[in-house]
Amino acid sequence: TQLLEQSPQFLSIQEGENLTVYCNSSSVFSSLQWYRQEPGEGPVLLVTVVTGGEVKKLKRLTFQFGDARKDSSLHITAAQTGDTGLYLCAGSGTYKYIFGTGTRLKVLA
Amino acid sequence: GAGVSQSPSNKVTEKGKDVELRCDPISGHTALYWYRQRLGQGLEFLIYFQGNSAPDKSGLPSDRFSAERTGESVSTLTIQRTQQEDSAVYLCASSLGLAPLSTDTQYFGPGTRLTVL
Repeated sequence: TQLLEQSPQFLSIQEGENLTVYCNSSSVFSSLQWYRQEPGEGPVLLVTVVTGGEVKKLKRLTFQFGDARKDSSLHITAAQTGDTGLYLCAGSGTYKYIFGTGTRLKVLA
Repeated sequence: GAGVSQSPSNKVTEKGKDVELRCDPISGHTALYWYRQRLGQGLEFLIYFQGNSAPDKSGLPSDRFSAERTGESVSTLTIQRTQQEDSAVYLCASSLGLAPLSTDTQYFGPGTRLTVL
């Protein structure tokens, strides 16, 4: 069974601080996605990483896919209150994604 | 253009009753997914449709759960004899059904919040 563990589970930080969220598995994935979900809404795709060692930047967000394609990280620089939400990673199976356990981020003003 | 819509947005039911949840995917999307999300947790895969066939039903928790899809359109998730542990948000997503999966983007609906008393 493919499982994705995210850490930390909860994170509360002050506006302007940096943070990193981790997504780890014992399984290899051909690609990995990161989503953000706000209360009362469905998850929204932020990025897809495909190549081992790949780094993608989306404004203040930096995503990295591990060399062995078993893990990924999301780094946020100078967090803003608008970054508050549930961050989910998802690894690809044949035709479906396996979702991680989620990291709930709260950025305080 | 319209996104994925789900109805009802909230459903409160009594233990033992049947419920039907509806998902309207984005027009032209051949793939459709149902997920369950318990409070504050990640998404649990339930079932996947390609067109109106469901090649993978392995995520359905029990035989009380079933799902149908009409062509490449509406899907319904039915839960019979609901139990309190069925309380969760049920999310639907649709996509173009591209391969490989890394090129296919899922678009999620807002979910149906089910509460079983």
